[in-house]
Amino acid sequence: QVQLVQSGAEVKKPGASVKVSCKASGYTFTGYYIHWVRQAPGHGLEWMGWISPSSGGTYYAQKFQGRVTMTRDTSISTAYMELSALRSDDTAVYYCARVGRYYDSSGQFDFWGQGTLVTVSS
Amino acid sequence: EIVLTQSPATLSLSPGERATLSCRASQSVSSYLAWYQQKPGQAPRLLIYDASNRATGIPARFSGSGSGTDFTLTISSLEPEDFAVYYCQQRGSWPVSFGQGTKLEIK
Repeated sequence: QVQLVQSGAEVKKPGASVKVSCKASGYTFTGYYIHWVRQAPGHGLEWMGWISPSSGGTYYAQKFQGRVTMTRDTSISTAYMELSALRSDDTAVYYCARVGRYYDSSGQFDFWGQGTLVTVSS
Repeated sequence: EIVLTQSPATLSLSPGERATLSCRASQSVSSYLAWYQQKPGQAPRLLIYDASNRATGIPARFSGSGSGTDFTLTISSLEPEDFAVYYCQQRGSWPVSFGQGTKLEIK
């Protein structure tokens, strides 16, 4: 069965960086784009960008350009999202999500990771 | 960027009643709209994609309709487990965007 398992919660100081991992199993990792979405406490969902596990190509929301880097390691079927220059308003649960259409960057998100809470506090 | 506006913000209903949730886009997204359900402490769960297609394993009481700028999620007869927050999401234009959510609460 398809699973996305994310790394554990993180506490960071303002100005630091955080790297969250998303390990995929149960399907061909390179066939489906991975997106990252975050949710601040008590708020809605905010899209951050995607990575093609096949090519490594990326596309980021303008809001995060310059601060976010998405990478992948196909040998271990894992995608990563690194966010730098953290601020208190980056405190959120970060989700990875798989697009439910083969080799398509755009689509509905049919499987989600369990979420990783990143807390930014001095 | 396409803005999705969901209404109402909160919907109070009883089990067995019919729920109608709305999502309006600031410009056409064709039929490229999905609906998700999210319960506290959980990741979102895909319910409907491409406006009207139920995702795998989703009960038939959930249905979606609409195209262009106006979309509706209908739950025909509410079960206790349906009380949650619902989000719409468009993929008709980059960047992907989500609505702000509708909280469906027990009356």
